[in-house]
Amino acid sequence: DVKVTQSSRYLVKRTGEKVFLECVQDMDHENMFWYRQDPGLGLRLIYFSYDVKMKEKGDIPEGYSVSREKKERFSLILESASTNQTSMYLCASSPGGVNTDTQYFGPGTRLTVL
Amino acid sequence: KNEVEQSPQNLTAQEGEFITINCSYSVGISALHWLQQHPGGGIVSLFMLSSGKKKHGRLIATINIQEKHSSLHITASHPRDSAVYICAVTLMDSNYQLIWGAGTKLIIKP
Repeated sequence: DVKVTQSSRYLVKRTGEKVFLECVQDMDHENMFWYRQDPGLGLRLIYFSYDVKMKEKGDIPEGYSVSREKKERFSLILESASTNQTSMYLCASSPGGVNTDTQYFGPGTRLTVL
Repeated sequence: KNEVEQSPQNLTAQEGEFITINCSYSVGISALHWLQQHPGGGIVSLFMLSSGKKKHGRLIATINIQEKHSSLHITASHPRDSAVYICAVTLMDSNYQLIWGAGTKLIIKP
């Protein structure tokens, strides 16, 4: 079974802090994704990566950056957290290639910025 | 207008009822996904389909490509089916980007 893990289930940070959210997958997947999920808005893509050191902006990249130094690990960074970044953050991975785009999700990190 | 629309937004039903959740989309797609999210956050992929119908246990998913519409059905619903059901589509020219519906919150009462 594919396993996608996230470093924290719950996180509380203060405005202005630098925040790191880590995601690790154990199935050698090519693609990894970071989403945020807010009530009434569904999932919105922040960034995705299709290879080591490769990244592309999603729909809402402002205020976020990412890092993929190793294939299994994809990090989301909030350089200076703000209260409007309070949300549920979901990481996902997918195998890559044609017609293999089922995404497998981690359990999520609920981030509160005070 | 959202590219992926789900209806209803919220649905409450009694145990045993037949449930239908609808998804309409306005873009060219290569696949449509149905996912389930239980309270607490975990998302599980239920179906990926590009034509016809798929069945898994009490869950059935259908898609009509011409009408750009898909339905998720649950037969003999049970309280453990209570969750948010999300429809997402893969754009025609992309292997990995999904466009998401807002989800349908389903509550099954015993």
